[in-house]
Amino acid sequence: EVQLVQSGAEVKKPGESLKISCKGSGYSFTNYWIGWVRQMPGKGLEWMGIIYPGDSDTRYSPSFQGQVTISADKSISTAYLQWSSLKASDTAMYYCARRFGVVTGYYFDYWGQGTLVTVSS
Amino acid sequence: QSVVTQPPSASGTPGQRVTISCSGSSSNIGSNTVNWYQQLPGTAPKLLIYSNNQRPSGVPDRFSGSKSGTSASLAISGLQSEDEADHYCAAWDDSLNGYVFGTGTKVTVL
Repeated sequence: EVQLVQSGAEVKKPGESLKISCKGSGYSFTNYWIGWVRQMPGKGLEWMGIIYPGDSDTRYSPSFQGQVTISADKSISTAYLQWSSLKASDTAMYYCARRFGVVTGYYFDYWGQGTLVTVSS
Repeated sequence: QSVVTQPPSASGTPGQRVTISCSGSSSNIGSNTVNWYQQLPGTAPKLLIYSNNQRPSGVPDRFSGSKSGTSASLAISGLQSEDEADHYCAAWDDSLNGYVFGTGTKVTVL
């Protein structure tokens, strides 16, 4: 059974750093892209970027380029999303999801349960 | 603001048919396939329709998708109380070089 299990909720202060994780199981982790999606409180879904764990090829949405870092450790089937200096506006639920298909026709077929990040002084 | 727009809400009584529209442009829906996701309250999104009109295993055939030009639509027939959720369309955008989600539609069962 394909599963993506994310790390637990985080409460941080502005300016702090953070790295959240997404562990895949039940499939060949290195052969599928993993994407990250942000959902701010009461708002819609936003695509942040994507990584191919096989060679760590990473693509970012222009809206998130330079704001976050996406990485992966294929030896432990885990993808990461990290911030070097959090802002209050980073408060949101973050989902990881497995990408299936080719670029023009891809979709996210399995999703993690989400990690709630709260940034408050 | 998303470049793909949906009506903020849609509603119907149990058993009715509800249709949700999704309007994009030539760089996204017009040139790439459309997917739909359902997000039940307090849960992660779930793939509902992929490649315009394909249902993943386990999705009831009450849900159907279609696409024409730069627009797409999701139809829910035989509406049930468990269909109350937010629904998002999505597609790759060649100009933005990224995956774009629609603004989302909240379906309410009256």
